[in-house]
Amino acid sequence: NAGVTQTPKFRVLKTGQSMTLLCAQDMNHEYMYWYRQDPGMGLRLIHYSVGEGTTAKGEVPDGYNVSRLKKQNFLLGLESAAPSQTSVYFCASAYRDNNYGYTFGSGTRLTVV
Amino acid sequence: GEDVEQSLFLSVREGDSSVINCTYTDSSSTYLYWYKQEPGAGLQLLTYIFSNMDMKQDQRLTVLLNKKDKHLSLRIADTQTGDSAIYFCAELNAGNNRKLIWGLGTSLAVNP
Repeated sequence: NAGVTQTPKFRVLKTGQSMTLLCAQDMNHEYMYWYRQDPGMGLRLIHYSVGEGTTAKGEVPDGYNVSRLKKQNFLLGLESAAPSQTSVYFCASAYRDNNYGYTFGSGTRLTVV
Repeated sequence: GEDVEQSLFLSVREGDSSVINCTYTDSSSTYLYWYKQEPGAGLQLLTYIFSNMDMKQDQRLTVLLNKKDKHLSLRIADTQTGDSAIYFCAELNAGNNRKLIWGLGTSLAVNP
């Protein structure tokens, strides 16, 4: 099915461990986004990409890195996980002319203990 | 900077109409959106409206836009228990790399 796929769906990490969240879209969207969602704080943009090979910082980039080596994939990395990074992470994508909004993945629930 | 505000909670009785309100500050907004998030799921685009429109209707959903007051509303007619979710308002800023500016979401509870 067309859309945005996030893997994994759930993960528990120990403090200091690293991991990579994968986002894949098959809609040929140019723009891709990583958000985190925390209770009472809505969606906060971590990093985004406006095209293959380009990335930019969002509102809360510290502690995260991203890569967009292929147009369809956007990876979010946590080099040394901290409990403050416990959250639900959403990936989204859109056409460059993104008047019609974003398409979201179903999320990754990450717990850092 | 740009800001989008929504009330955090709304409770309605099944069968009644729900009205979820949103205000925004950016006068250069081009499109405004309503997204729905069901428990444990991602966000799903419900509807959107272009800034030169006053109203858009789509089955049980009616979007009203008052550009002068920078006020957007979503009316859900004949609200059902399946409408219980968080509803997010968002605006598309024409500059700023065309990022969406999000409200915090309104949690709608539908009581039988």
